[in-house]
Amino acid sequence: QVQLVESGGGVVQPGDSLRLSCAASGFTFSDSGMHWVRQAPGKGLEWVAFIRFDGSNKYYVDSVKGRFTISRDNSKNTLYLQMNSLRVEDTAIYYCAKDKGSGITWLGWFDPWGRGTLVTVSS
Amino acid sequence: DIQMTQSPSSLSASIGDRVTITCQASQDISNYLNWYQQKPGKAPKLLIYDASHLETGVPSRFSGSGSGTDFIFTINSLQPEDIATYYCQRYGNLPLTFGGGTKVEIK
Repeated sequence: QVQLVESGGGVVQPGDSLRLSCAASGFTFSDSGMHWVRQAPGKGLEWVAFIRFDGSNKYYVDSVKGRFTISRDNSKNTLYLQMNSLRVEDTAIYYCAKDKGSGITWLGWFDPWGRGTLVTVSS
Repeated sequence: DIQMTQSPSSLSASIGDRVTITCQASQDISNYLNWYQQKPGKAPKLLIYDASHLETGVPSRFSGSGSGTDFIFTINSLQPEDIATYYCQRYGNLPLTFGGGTKVEIK
């Protein structure tokens, strides 16, 4: 079955960097667009970034543009999120999610999701 | 950006009750709307796509309707396992956005 497992979260200080990983299995990763979605403690969901199946295009929410970079290694079935210049407001559970589309067609739907990894930014 | 306003933010209902949640877009989004269920401590799960289509394996007591700017999510006959927070989500262009969520509890 489809499985997404995030890792790399932790406690960091404002201004620090962190790289999240999402290991994918159970589907053709190289044929799937992938998203990062975050959820601040006790708050709602916020889409963060998307990368097309081949890494050719990447999109971000305005609040992370210039600080976060989404990438993928299709040979390792792994999605990444490099987070630089972290802020207190970046504190959240970060979920990776598969886009429901495939190949050149991406839908902007999230299914399924991983279990998430917690990032805490605190001084 | 297109804003999604979901209401109520929480509700309490009895087992067997019909539960209705609304989601309003700040501009016409056609039927580009999904609904997700997030149980406590778990990742969200896609329930309904394209405003009214039930995802495979989702119980038929869940339904969605609407188009344009106004959407409704309904649980017919609330069950104990439906305790969760429900989110609407707009797609079609970027940024992808969610409603603020509706927490459903048992009375």
